[in-house]
Amino acid sequence: DGGITQSPKYLFRKEGQNVTLSCEQNLNHDAMYWYRQDPGQGLRLIYYSQIVNDFQKGDIAEGYSVSREKKESFPLTVTSAQKNPTAFYLCASSIEGSTEAFFGQGTRLTVV
Amino acid sequence: AQSVTQLDSHVSVSEGTPVLLRCNYSSSYSPSLFWYVQHPNKGLQLLLKYTSAATLVKGINGFEAEFKKSETSFHLTKPSAHMSDAAEYFCVVSDWIGYQKVTFGTGTKLQVIP
Repeated sequence: DGGITQSPKYLFRKEGQNVTLSCEQNLNHDAMYWYRQDPGQGLRLIYYSQIVNDFQKGDIAEGYSVSREKKESFPLTVTSAQKNPTAFYLCASSIEGSTEAFFGQGTRLTVV
Repeated sequence: AQSVTQLDSHVSVSEGTPVLLRCNYSSSYSPSLFWYVQHPNKGLQLLLKYTSAATLVKGINGFEAEFKKSETSFHLTKPSAHMSDAAEYFCVVSDWIGYQKVTFGTGTKLQVIP
């Protein structure tokens, strides 16, 4: 089955540590996105990538980094510079030129 | 500019009664509109989408939405609520402007009372 796989589902991090969230898709989509979801707010865009080896900052990129070395993979690193990293993170992908996004099941990150 | 307003943060209905979740939007383009459903600690599941075809859109699980350009609305309805409909619902506006520009509403939590 085609889809987007995020791992792990739950992640705990100590303050001051970097942590990497995985996102893999087998839909052959060119574009991939990372969103952050906080209670009572809609999703906010962290980073997006439309092509391998290229990515752009979204609305809340500070404290995050990404890479896009392969078309199917778009990992997100939450760095120690992110002041409030506890949130639900969703990865998405889309066909170039499409307004529809396909979402993974999310990773819940908790800083302890 | 692009924005989405979900008019109710919480909606409570009895099982078997109609559901209405309200959404107003604005966009500088000709947007696509979506409704997604999210169950706790799960990803977003697409319920239905409007992409400039028929204004009355039918989705999964008996949900429908009507695109009303004059009212800039895209309200989600279902004739009869089921317990399994209890979840959070997001209205989304999306444009392609060289990349996918997406704005999510803040969500409506639907409670279904037995």
